[in-house]
Amino acid sequence: AQKVTQAQTEISVVEKEDVTLDCVYETRDTTYYLFWYKQPPSGELVFLIRRNSFDEQNEISGRYSWNFQKSTSSFNFTITASQVVDSAVYFCALSEAWPNSGYSTLTFGKGTMLLVSP
Amino acid sequence: GAVVSQHPSRVICKSGTSVKIECRSLDFQATTMFWYRQFPKKSLMLMATSNEGSKATYEQGVEKDKFLINHASLTLSTLTVTSAHPEDSSFYICSAPKGASGRGRTDTQYFGPGTRLTVL
Repeated sequence: AQKVTQAQTEISVVEKEDVTLDCVYETRDTTYYLFWYKQPPSGELVFLIRRNSFDEQNEISGRYSWNFQKSTSSFNFTITASQVVDSAVYFCALSEAWPNSGYSTLTFGKGTMLLVSP
Repeated sequence: GAVVSQHPSRVICKSGTSVKIECRSLDFQATTMFWYRQFPKKSLMLMATSNEGSKATYEQGVEKDKFLINHASLTLSTLTVTSAHPEDSSFYICSAPKGASGRGRTDTQYFGPGTRLTVL
């Protein structure tokens, strides 16, 4: 069975601080995908990144960066120089790469609420 | 821009009535869509997989007669909450996989803006 753990339920930072959101996963699959989604107060989940388990290269997109460590089953997300607009709930998710049938479903973590104050 | 739309965004209804929520993929076809439910400050719970041209697949514990799903076309899935009760009040979100081919089994899921249902 797959499992995603986001141990941090809520993080509060002051604007311009760097913040890292942790994600640890469990899966028996050798090939899988990892995702991060952002859910602002409006409610819509916004796709941020998808990572294939074969690709352990870290990725940077503007102020966002992701650190994938297969050895520790972690896929952490760092926001550099945080802004108030970054305030949201962030979900880490996992899906299998070779579903037995139909589409691959997402297993979500419980989410981390990030509060960035001015 | 948005790739999946949902309508309505909010609905308030009386207990015992039925409510229909629409989920549309914009500018791409989705033979499969997913319906989730989210309680306040909680994670998303997958309710069912909607399949165009065939019956929906429900997750364990989800009443299929309570939550009717119809995948009417390659761009539209509807969720009908029948005989709604206050305990059905929740945030319902749909998603559709979209990828390079548009029909890949492991395409990234894009989510709609959600529908907040309040049953009085």
